Amino acid sequence: EDQVTQSPEALRLQEGESSSLNCSYTVSGLRGLFWYRQDPGKGPEFLFTLYSAGEEKEKERLKATLTKKESFLHITAPKPEDSATYLCAVQIGGATNKLIFGTGTLLAVQP
Amino acid sequence: DGGITQSPKYLFRKEGQNVTLSCEQNLNHDAMYWYRQDPGQGLRLIYYSQIVNDFQKGDIAEGYSVSREKKESFPLTVTSAQKNPTAFYLCASAPRVSGANVLTFGAGSRLTVL
Repeated sequence: EDQVTQSPEALRLQEGESSSLNCSYTVSGLRGLFWYRQDPGKGPEFLFTLYSAGEEKEKERLKATLTKKESFLHITAPKPEDSATYLCAVQIGGATNKLIFGTGTLLAVQP
Repeated sequence: DGGITQSPKYLFRKEGQNVTLSCEQNLNHDAMYWYRQDPGQGLRLIYYSQIVNDFQKGDIAEGYSVSREKKESFPLTVTSAQKNPTAFYLCASAPRVSGANVLTFGAGSRLTVL
């Protein structure tokens, strides 16, 4: 069964305290892995797409990496404005190119 | 600016009533989607559409209906047959269905059944 699991469910950091969020997946025919950021009461906002193992992408304090079984979202020296829920989604092949979403990691960065 | 507009942002419904959630996009995207988000669960696909006058069921289509009469619009009706409709509903669009597409999401509509 295709599955995406994110950990931890919630993470509290002090401002400047770097950490990583994990997204592990068991799917057939991976076409892409996506990271989104979601603020409370709003729609998800796109961050990164990764296509193959070994690929890395960066944006400000965020860096996403991909292996054959998991992806990490590294947050370096976070600020309070980085507080949000981070969603991982995997797109698999086939007729529908279906997206499978994880349940998200709720990140709180305290000043 | 291009984007997706969902309305209303908040909606209250009595049991037994149908309600329709609006979704409009000005991104010229072919594909549109409806997702449902519940606490502790990942986004789940309700319906999606690749072109005008065509749409397919997602994983949880029971109790919902959609139409795609215009490229820009993809309204979702939550019918009285949906047993647990209280949720946060998200509309999204993408340039096309095939390939690894980035979804653009609307701000969501929160439906509460009284």
